[in-house]
Amino acid sequence: QSALTQPASVSGSPGQSITISCTGTSSDVGGYNYVSWYQKHPGKAPKLMIYDVSNRPSGVSNRFSGSKSGNTASLTISGLQAEDEADYYCSSYSISSTPWVFGGGTKLTVL
Amino acid sequence: QVQLQESGPGLVKPSGTLSLTCAVSGGSITSSNWWSWVRQPPGKGLEWIGEIYHSGRTNYNPSLKSRVTILVDKSKNQFSLKLSSVTAADTAVYYCARVTAAYDHLEYWGQGTLVTVSS
Repeated sequence: QSALTQPASVSGSPGQSITISCTGTSSDVGGYNYVSWYQKHPGKAPKLMIYDVSNRPSGVSNRFSGSKSGNTASLTISGLQAEDEADYYCSSYSISSTPWVFGGGTKLTVL
Repeated sequence: QVQLQESGPGLVKPSGTLSLTCAVSGGSITSSNWWSWVRQPPGKGLEWIGEIYHSGRTNYNPSLKSRVTILVDKSKNQFSLKLSSVTAADTAVYYCARVTAAYDHLEYWGQGTLVTVSS
């Protein structure tokens, strides 16, 4: 099982907002502000959407935002669009056995 | 824009060695970045395999350390992964990625390559 826990799936209608959670421990999510989020479409490279908890890379829509509280980080997508339908993965720096840990992924369905 | 592209055999026999290469374009392998390998078995989450710096320094996942070798080839601007004694559990999509110079996240990824372990 993955080091970080994400819901397997979430869904929302166009225009709505959804939030995906990512729960870790004090050794990773809770201990460092190095949480990142990736969007993954089938057959494509993972695309960085959020880094350092809440920062957006250049070119990423401001409909994507990130936050963290304790050991849980969250990705919120507002104004859902059909093109947002994809798998989303969280990642965090970790002081445990490996420097990078990941969530199991969340499938976002836009209804 | 940095781009990474994985290449290598898509089928490896059990007990054999998986060998993949990651070609880097749009940037230098000798930049101040670590270069990682990550894999995703079918239906499962992502697993970090290991990473290398252009000096040759490496870090490996302890669960795979005895079987993993990551090398860098500065002349070809690429790095490679070798995983020995493979079993069906090593069947996965393998990704290469670049870690930021600040070492706070993996910023660029290849699109991944499926490697199946089967006789």
